[in-house]
Amino acid sequence: DAGVTQSPTHLIKTRGQQVTLRCSPKSGHDTVSWYQQALGQGPQFIFQYYEEEERQRGNFPDRFSGHQFPNYSSELNVNALLLGDSALYLCASSLLLGGLTYEQYFGPGTRLTVT
Amino acid sequence: QKEVEQNSGPLSVPEGAIASLNCTYSDRGSQSFFWYRQYSGKSPELIMFIYSNGDKEDGRFTAQLNKASQYVSLLIRDSQPSDSATYLCAVNNLNTGNQFYFGTGTSLTVIP
Repeated sequence: DAGVTQSPTHLIKTRGQQVTLRCSPKSGHDTVSWYQQALGQGPQFIFQYYEEEERQRGNFPDRFSGHQFPNYSSELNVNALLLGDSALYLCASSLLLGGLTYEQYFGPGTRLTVT
Repeated sequence: QKEVEQNSGPLSVPEGAIASLNCTYSDRGSQSFFWYRQYSGKSPELIMFIYSNGDKEDGRFTAQLNKASQYVSLLIRDSQPSDSATYLCAVNNLNTGNQFYFGTGTSLTVIP
């Protein structure tokens, strides 16, 4: 059973450029969330996709956008990169269990460095 | 006020001891509580979750939840050097959204 996969694993970009990160969820999971984790911090929620729609969004600017495809895979796009966007970007796939709670698993992450 | 608070540590325990990690949260309506382990340079790995008051055991790990005190803890019995990592607490409230709120994590070192 494949877990959550992400690509690429590492990326170096220059300020002002645009980047696209990709994620495939765990088999059977239909919900994908994206998080940003700065060094020494906990993951911060960017947004969540379900049924190809953005269902919820955290406190991130419009430079951060995403998409979910019919096969549940997802992309995170970041435009006009800033130095402060350097972080580990985590994709998480989840499944609602009996309406009580989400079971959420993370992918290996993409380390983005903006120079 | 932060949504989820954890002692950043570092917490050091000798091999074979019990490690106790604590977490408090501000949203009284939070329903589900999660513990993740994160090794340096890696992504968080789900250890266990709990949504009912009391204890939940899974192998050497026990999660404890007290909703009245807005407190959740993780006990690691028979700690091993391989348990050395950062432990992240996360909470979720389905009534207000689907996002998980994470603490900053507690760094645990198990000394051989």
